Amino acid sequence: NAGVTQTPKFRILKIGQSMTLQCAQDMNHNYMYWYRQDPGMGLKLIYYSVGAGITDKGEVPNGYNVSRSTTEDFPLRLELAAPSQTSVYFCASSGPGQGAIPGANVLTFGAGSRLTVL
Amino acid sequence: GQNIDQPTEMTATEGAIVQINCTYQTSGFNGLFWYQQHAGEAPTFLSYNVLDGLEEKGRFSSFLSRSKGYSYLLLKELQMKDSASYLCAVDGNNRLAFGKGNQVVVIP
Repeated sequence: NAGVTQTPKFRILKIGQSMTLQCAQDMNHNYMYWYRQDPGMGLKLIYYSVGAGITDKGEVPNGYNVSRSTTEDFPLRLELAAPSQTSVYFCASSGPGQGAIPGANVLTFGAGSRLTVL
Repeated sequence: GQNIDQPTEMTATEGAIVQINCTYQTSGFNGLFWYQQHAGEAPTFLSYNVLDGLEEKGRFSSFLSRSKGYSYLLLKELQMKDSASYLCAVDGNNRLAFGKGNQVVVIP
């Protein structure tokens, strides 16, 4: 099991460029999430999905888009990159009744993608 | 919505005990989680509480009081590798909201 795989690990963008952060999980999890983490701050939820074909906005969705065409993949698209989107992005997934904790929504995170917009 | 508050930083000596507090307000509650995050790495799951009381897991214990909107994480017998940020997260209807995290620095 690879768990949650994010690509790229690092990227520098110019203002106004677009890009897609890829996220894939091989644990057959229903739920997937995108968070961003700014220095010294907690994780802010951008978008999440409770299953293929279903996506919902989190706390900070502006400037981003997502799609969930398969259970495994949950790409995050940045349109017209802005300096305020400089951050570390984490993808995560979870499945109901995961592991030894029935009913607990335990998140497994990818390694993160560090994005700088100049 | 959800609001989660944690103190920001503390320093402790190897072998000591530290308690990290978390207070929260939420409109829905499916459980409270503690995650550990080392610098430059992804968060990893530490503990989960959904009922009031103490959950013990080796050197780490977590306590929850739902009526007070309060939890703490207790780290015993501190080791250098415990230097990390500890994040409190509340599950409100399958959406985890995270606090800013508490940075623990362990010194010899």
